[in-house]
Amino acid sequence: DGGITQSPKYLFRKEGQNVTLSCEQNLNHDAMYWYRQDPGQGLRLIYYSQIVNDFQKGDIAEGYSVSREKKESFPLTVTSAQKNPTAFYLCASSIAWGTGELFFGEGSRLTVL
Amino acid sequence: GQQVMQIPQYQHVQEGEDFTTYCNSSTTLSNIQWYKQRPGGHPVFLIQLVKSGEVKKQKRLTFQFGEAKKNSSLHITATQTTDVGTYFCAGMGNQFYFGTGTSLTVIP
Repeated sequence: DGGITQSPKYLFRKEGQNVTLSCEQNLNHDAMYWYRQDPGQGLRLIYYSQIVNDFQKGDIAEGYSVSREKKESFPLTVTSAQKNPTAFYLCASSIAWGTGELFFGEGSRLTVL
Repeated sequence: GQQVMQIPQYQHVQEGEDFTTYCNSSTTLSNIQWYKQRPGGHPVFLIQLVKSGEVKKQKRLTFQFGEAKKNSSLHITATQTTDVGTYFCAGMGNQFYFGTGTSLTVIP
């Protein structure tokens, strides 16, 4: 089955630690995205990638980093510089940037202790 | 910056009543999409509207895109308990801008 796989589903981190969230897709989509969702709020764009080896900052990129070395993979690192990292993180992909529906993974819930 | 506002934030209805959520953008959108997120789940695509004034129906759901391509609505007729969840609009400007969502509770 084609889709997007995020891991881990739940993650606990101590303050000052970096963590990396995995996102893999087998849909052959060019564009991939990372969103952050906080309770009662919409989805806010962290980073996006229109094509392999390219990525751009979204609205809330501070304290996060990404890479896109392979078409299928778009990992997100939450660094210690992110002031309030506890949130639900959603990875998505689409056939091309700004085109077609977004397919979402099941999300990763990060809690900073 | 560009914003997509969505109202209401919460809506509680009796099963069988109708429900509507509205999206408004500060700028013209090239298209608008609607997503549903069940409690504890992830957003799932419902539909995309592209043309000015477009209306699309999916069974009990009716989607509209405004003439100026700045607003949109989702209307559910005769809600059922399976309609529970949060409905998001996402407008395409220079990126997808998601509304804050409307959380729908259906009381049996």
